[in-house]
Amino acid sequence: AQSVAQPEDQVNVAEGNPLTVKCTYSVSGNPYLFWYVQYPNRGLQFLLKYITGDNLVKGSYGFEAEFNKSQTSFHLKKPSALVSDSALYFCASSMDTGRRALTFGSGTRLQVQP
Amino acid sequence: NAGVMQNPRHLVRRRGQEARLRCSPMKGHSHVYWYRQLPEEGLKFMVYLQKENIIDESGMPKERFSAEFPKEGPSILRIQQVVRGDSAAYFCASSPPDRQNTEAFFGQGTRLTVV
Repeated sequence: AQSVAQPEDQVNVAEGNPLTVKCTYSVSGNPYLFWYVQYPNRGLQFLLKYITGDNLVKGSYGFEAEFNKSQTSFHLKKPSALVSDSALYFCASSMDTGRRALTFGSGTRLQVQP
Repeated sequence: NAGVMQNPRHLVRRRGQEARLRCSPMKGHSHVYWYRQLPEEGLKFMVYLQKENIIDESGMPKERFSAEFPKEGPSILRIQQVVRGDSAAYFCASSPPDRQNTEAFFGQGTRLTVV
C-alpha cells in the first residue's frame, strides 16, 4: 500500500521569500513522485516529477523538489515566491510496478502575501 | 493538441436521478483515470480504464457507480440514483500507453451538485 502525507493544511509566505511545501511518502517499492497545482475551479496542472536519477528535480514556473530517500520526503520549493503562486498544491505518488493510478496527499494551500 | 476534455463542467441533479460524466482523453492517450474530490480535500482514485477494459476499479463504490471507455467515443462515468453525498468534483486524467512513469494530464473537472 502507498500513502502520501502533506502535514500542513496551509503555508503562508511573503512575496519574494523562499517557500517550502512539505510532502512525505510511504511506499513498498520504488516510488514515482509528482507535484500538481490546482487553481480555483480548475483542474490539476503538472509541476514536476521524480522518477529516478538526480534527487533535485526542476519543474515549471521556477519550482523544484528534492527527493530524500532516507527521510521519505519530496518537498516542493521555490527560491522566491510570487503572489500568483497562491493555489492548492498536491503531492502524489505512483508505483514503478503494479498500480498506475496516483495516490494524492490531502493538499496544502499556499498563500503568498504581497 | 487539445487537452483532456470533460463535459459538462457543471451538472445539477435531483436525488434519485442519474448523472453521466464524459471524458475525452488527450490524443494518443489510451489510459483514463477518474478521481473524485470533495470540497477542501485531495483527490481520491476511483477507476482506471484502457480502451474497452476496466483495469483497476478498487476505488469505485460497489453500488450505483459504473465506468466505461468504449472503443469509440469518450469515457463515461455513470452514477445512478444520485444522493447528496455524491456532490463533488470529478476529474478525469489520461496518460499515454506503456509508460508507467509518465505524468497524467487532468481535465478541468465536472462539478456535480445533487439537490
